[in-house]
Amino acid sequence: EVQLLESGGGLVQPGGSLRLSCAASGFTFSSYAMSWVRQAPGKGLEWVSAISGSGGSTYYADSVKGRFTISRDNSKNTLYLQMNSLRAEDTAVYYCAKDRAYCGGDCPSTYFDYWGQGTLVTVSS
Amino acid sequence: DIQMTQSPSTLSASVGDRVTITCRASQSISSWLAWYQQKPGKAPKLLIYKASSLESGVPSRFSGSGSGTEFTLTISSLQPDDFATYYCQQYNSYLTFGGGTKVEIK
Repeated sequence: EVQLLESGGGLVQPGGSLRLSCAASGFTFSSYAMSWVRQAPGKGLEWVSAISGSGGSTYYADSVKGRFTISRDNSKNTLYLQMNSLRAEDTAVYYCAKDRAYCGGDCPSTYFDYWGQGTLVTVSS
Repeated sequence: DIQMTQSPSTLSASVGDRVTITCRASQSISSWLAWYQQKPGKAPKLLIYKASSLESGVPSRFSGSGSGTEFTLTISSLQPDDFATYYCQQYNSYLTFGGGTKVEIK
């Protein structure tokens, strides 16, 4: 059974940093691109960042480029999101999501068949 | 960047109704479109991919159509479990979600 378990969310002051983790199980982690998708309170979904299965390619939304860094440790089956220079508008539930399409190399992210339960990040003074 | 526009933003319907949600892309995305269902406090659930392919386990009352810039999600006969918010998502160039369509009880 595929499971994605996010952790690391919490309350942080504007300008601060936070690192999210997503522990994956139930599938060959290194064979799938992974993404972070966020949802501000009462708002829609926003794709944040993606990383290929090998970790060799990364992609970012313009809203977080230069502030957030996505990475993965395939030996630990874990996805990360390092978030720096946080702003009030980064407040959201952050979901990690698994790509539906199998790819053994540097494939871009497509669409998602499994999602974690989400972790709430609140940026406030 | 590719923008995705969904309409309507809210839809009131009754059990048994045929429901259609539209998603428009700011430029052609071929058939690289997915649809999700989300219920309050839950993660989204994949319904449709590649514009019209039904995800395994999803009821056949859900269907998708379209290509290029205009797409539709149709629920042929709305069931009580279908009251939720629906999102389209393009994956032609990076990834973008539509703003969502809330299907509520009439």
